[in-house]
Amino acid sequence: DTGVSQDPRHKITKRGQNVTFRCDPISEHNRLYWYRQTLGQGPEFLTYFQNEAQLEKSRLLSDRFSAERPKGSFSTLEIQRTEQGDSAMYLCASSLAVSGAGNTIYFGEGSWLTVV
Amino acid sequence: QKEVEQNSGPLSVPEGAIASLNCTYSDRGSQSFFWYRQYSGKSPELIMSIYSNGDKEDGRFTAQLNKASQYVSLLIRDSQPSDSATYLCAPRGRLTGGGNKLTFGTGTQLKVEL
Repeated sequence: DTGVSQDPRHKITKRGQNVTFRCDPISEHNRLYWYRQTLGQGPEFLTYFQNEAQLEKSRLLSDRFSAERPKGSFSTLEIQRTEQGDSAMYLCASSLAVSGAGNTIYFGEGSWLTVV
Repeated sequence: QKEVEQNSGPLSVPEGAIASLNCTYSDRGSQSFFWYRQYSGKSPELIMSIYSNGDKEDGRFTAQLNKASQYVSLLIRDSQPSDSATYLCAPRGRLTGGGNKLTFGTGTQLKVEL
């Protein structure tokens, strides 16, 4: 399977705990994105990497959230001191850094977080 | 005004009919537009992209774009029960370094009835 891979697929955690999600993009995709989707809403942009550089962060990304892509390949998204409002599906996506149709964004299967 | 507006539905159509899904957007600078399909509990799957005014056809799907009216639509011909899903409209914006930011609407839920 050469698609975007996310792990874990499901996570239940107690409020106040830290959680970390991992994303492996499509091979050779140098752009990587994190989105969050809550029930009944479309995905919302969180942050974006080009290679190992985090180039943009949404205002939605509070200081409890941190994302890394240390070697320009896989990425992690960590949520510290989780709150019930963090319950959502966290989507990772990747694309090539080219113009035109070649930079289509492909999504992974998502990581579901439930904070109890 | 929301950046991307879609009727949340559900839109119910009989099997074999044409389903028409509509989307309006506020950013006049948007140059390209994407339609994603999302089954319940699954991640979004790209089905169509459109960059120029007019129609673009791909199999049973036709995307229509009118930049002057800030309107994009998706037609699904010969609707099948397997088309039952939420359809997300997403104009593409630009990010630092040239990345692409998709701004999604809330999606329209389509139900194709037997």
